Amino acid sequence: DTAVSQTPKYLVTQMGNDKSIKCEQNLGHDTMYWYKQDSKKFLKIMFSYNNKELIINETVPNRFSPKSPDKAHLNLHINSLELGDSAVYFCASSQAEGELFFGEGSRLTVL
Amino acid sequence: GNSVTQMEGPVTLSEEAFLTINCTYTATGYPSLFWYVQYPGEGLQLLLKATKADDKGSNKGFEATYRKETTSFHLEKGSVQVSDSAVYFCALSLYNFNKFYFGSGTKLNVKP
Repeated sequence: DTAVSQTPKYLVTQMGNDKSIKCEQNLGHDTMYWYKQDSKKFLKIMFSYNNKELIINETVPNRFSPKSPDKAHLNLHINSLELGDSAVYFCASSQAEGELFFGEGSRLTVL
Repeated sequence: GNSVTQMEGPVTLSEEAFLTINCTYTATGYPSLFWYVQYPGEGLQLLLKATKADDKGSNKGFEATYRKETTSFHLEKGSVQVSDSAVYFCALSLYNFNKFYFGSGTKLNVKP
């Protein structure tokens, strides 16, 4: 069983569209994250949820809206997609002072 | 503030060469330190970690020692293999915020 799974793995869409990426973890962790990795491999945290509560919200355009229906799921919805949103988005989870477990990533390409 | 600085890549080595990837950090508090590895087309996975000063993390022949006096956590391997080709990320975490800070990543290419 995949510990942290995210879908879709690839997403190609036009500017201005709205899209969502879903993430699920079966590790029983309390904290989940969204990271963005740009073309230079730089990894930047976007959001963090602990037990469905938002605890980290970095400087991210409000076109990005995370939603955590329960502590095993953290979805990311993006409105009005822009070219600069093209990146690989990683979901991750952790349990208090523990390591991060990453999903395989969702590659978003905005045309 | 909190940040991680690691050497820029790419680093290109021949098989069986010695590897060092430098990592230094600044942190408000007492962080845990990590090295993550990302193989092509995959997510990051933990390579090794150290939770307090002077701890040595090790895995798959890689080692790193938590040096508080020099605020460093350099990654080393005595003899690299082609299969070690990947991007390596140094990171720190602070318990209170359960937040991780990543370095910019160092790409390693190992040639046969």
